[in-house]
Amino acid sequence: AQTVTQSQPEMSVQEAETVTLSCTYDTSESDYYLFWYKQPPSRQMILVIRQEAYKQQNATENRFSVNFQKAAKSFSLKISDSQLGDAAMYFCAYGDDKIIFGKGTRLHILP
Amino acid sequence: NAGVTQTPKFQVLKTGQSMTLQCAQDMNHEYMSWYRQDPGMGLRLIHYSVGAGITDQGEVPNGYNVSRSTTEDFPLRLLSAAPSQTSVYFCASNRPNTEAFFGQGTRLTVV
Repeated sequence: AQTVTQSQPEMSVQEAETVTLSCTYDTSESDYYLFWYKQPPSRQMILVIRQEAYKQQNATENRFSVNFQKAAKSFSLKISDSQLGDAAMYFCAYGDDKIIFGKGTRLHILP
Repeated sequence: NAGVTQTPKFQVLKTGQSMTLQCAQDMNHEYMSWYRQDPGMGLRLIHYSVGAGITDQGEVPNGYNVSRSTTEDFPLRLLSAAPSQTSVYFCASNRPNTEAFFGQGTRLTVV
């Protein structure tokens, strides 16, 4: 069975600094997708970034980028120039015919 | 285009009562899923469906039933509610190999 592990329950970063959230996963599949979702206090689930496993190039979306290491089954999220609005729960997720989530990392932004 | 619609948003049940959480999507997505979110546990997959007439169990299926008679609807049934089923429930839909779109969530309390 596929699993997703986020080893950092909480993290803090100074506003305007850079932070990296860690994620590892386990699967025997070769074709899959990986996601990072953001959940603010409103409970809404917001897609931050996605990565196709067959692509070697790391995905980027403005201030958000990933470091995808397929052999190591690692998928970390880097947030550059952190802003107060980035404060939220962040979930790493693995997808094939279903989507499995990690337990999340709560990110605090310090002004 | 409403996306994924869940009803109700809030519900209080007594132990042993039954109820159905409704989920509908208007994006013609093949896949639909139900998750529960508990503090410190992330989103755990309850049941999922890859098409009308096809359902499968996720990580925590006990105490829940689903059916998928149409592409649009994927109701979740609690047959005999227990306090352990107190949680926030999310329905999601997606096309194969793409990100999931989520409903607004249902906060269920079982007393």
